[in-house]
Amino acid sequence: KAGVTQTPRYLIKTRGQQVTLSCSPISGHRSVSWYQQTPGQGLQFLFEYFSETQRNKGNFPGRFSGRQFSNSRSEMNVSTLELGDSALYLCASSSDPGTSPGNTIYFGEGSWLTVV
Amino acid sequence: DQQVKQNSPSLSVQEGRISILNCDYTNSMFDYFLWYKKYPAEGPTFLISISSIKDKNEDGRFTVFLNKSAKHLSLHIVPSQPGDSAVYFCAATRASGGSYIPTFGRGTSLIVHP
Repeated sequence: KAGVTQTPRYLIKTRGQQVTLSCSPISGHRSVSWYQQTPGQGLQFLFEYFSETQRNKGNFPGRFSGRQFSNSRSEMNVSTLELGDSALYLCASSSDPGTSPGNTIYFGEGSWLTVV
Repeated sequence: DQQVKQNSPSLSVQEGRISILNCDYTNSMFDYFLWYKKYPAEGPTFLISISSIKDKNEDGRFTVFLNKSAKHLSLHIVPSQPGDSAVYFCAATRASGGSYIPTFGRGTSLIVHP
């Protein structure tokens, strides 16, 4: 069974630009969540989508947005990039974290974003 | 405001000895706790979990202990192996918006020396 796939793996953007990251969840998983990892802050929750609806949102500015398609694939977008947005962006999928707190979430390898 | 805290950024242990990674939380609404392991250039992978109704869960060399009154949990690795060298994230979940979204700590980097 294929794991969570994220593209692109590495990218460099300039301040002020926007970026779109893509995530394909494990087949059959309907929940996709996104996390930002920076050296000093650990894993920070961005948002979660389930059945094309945003179900939860973390404490990030409106420049960070996402969406989920009918095939459960998800994209996240960051507009007007700032230097501080440089981070590893991780996507995770789960069958449905709403059914049990112990439902495991499975992470992709992440997309490394560098803003210069 | 960090609801899940891992106060030790790093831990160094000799192979064969015990590794103890600690985690504290502030929100008493958390009802499930998990540990994830992350190697460089890879995403985090699930390691072990514990429900708030238990105080211990064991899986091979890994044991997680939960002290609800102290809002503290710890991960014990016995015996430690060089392949255990990784960043370990503690996470806690509670119901929110119809799902259980884990809140992660900042991670502890474990180095196991041969």
